[in-house]
Amino acid sequence: RKEVEQDPGPFNVPEGATVAFNCTYSNSASQSFFWYRQDCRKEPKLLMSVYSSGNEDGRFTAQLNRASQYISLLIRDSKLSDSATYLCVVNSGGSYIPTFGRGTSLIVHP
Amino acid sequence: DAGITQSPRYKITETGRQVTLMCHQTWSHSYMFWYRQDLGHGLRLIYYSAAADITDKGEVPDGYVVSRSKTENFPLTLESATRSQTSVYFCASSQPPDTQYFGPGTRLTVL
Repeated sequence: RKEVEQDPGPFNVPEGATVAFNCTYSNSASQSFFWYRQDCRKEPKLLMSVYSSGNEDGRFTAQLNRASQYISLLIRDSKLSDSATYLCVVNSGGSYIPTFGRGTSLIVHP
Repeated sequence: DAGITQSPRYKITETGRQVTLMCHQTWSHSYMFWYRQDLGHGLRLIYYSAAADITDKGEVPDGYVVSRSKTENFPLTLESATRSQTSVYFCASSQPPDTQYFGPGTRLTVL
């Protein structure tokens, strides 16, 4: 089983839709969690951290479920500019070497 | 605030040649990383460094050499480039427990 797994998609949604991605991780000792966004042929950029209590940043909401070992990203009112690949990142306890998922592709169409 | 930069941004070389990719960060982050990204594989860690003069192998280190004599620089050398090393290379840095920040990438083609 891979350490961090994501559905590669693509998720094809119309503008204005709500879309959610999940990411599962295998190491129960994982301590910190992040979502990155990567545009085509560009570097990954931090989208948001994922806290135990969940967090929200505008149209984006991230949740952590430690019992089931997954994190989620919810995007409301999708924009064309949200089209990108979303990478799930997990840091295990005691290690500062993050593990990246392969990413979920989102395509928002008019 | 330059952040983290990579050079060159694009490089074409021939099989067997030595190539060095440069990475420079201005934040004094202790950790630095090199990844390669290929279709179907996602980001794969080549080498990382926890501090100056401390480096360690990642998932795919074969054919690569790194050094870190100064905190701000982390060059990656392909000692004898092969076609399988054609890829996009990303450098990243972090200051634990904060997460990573990536450079813009170097697109390397080995003919």
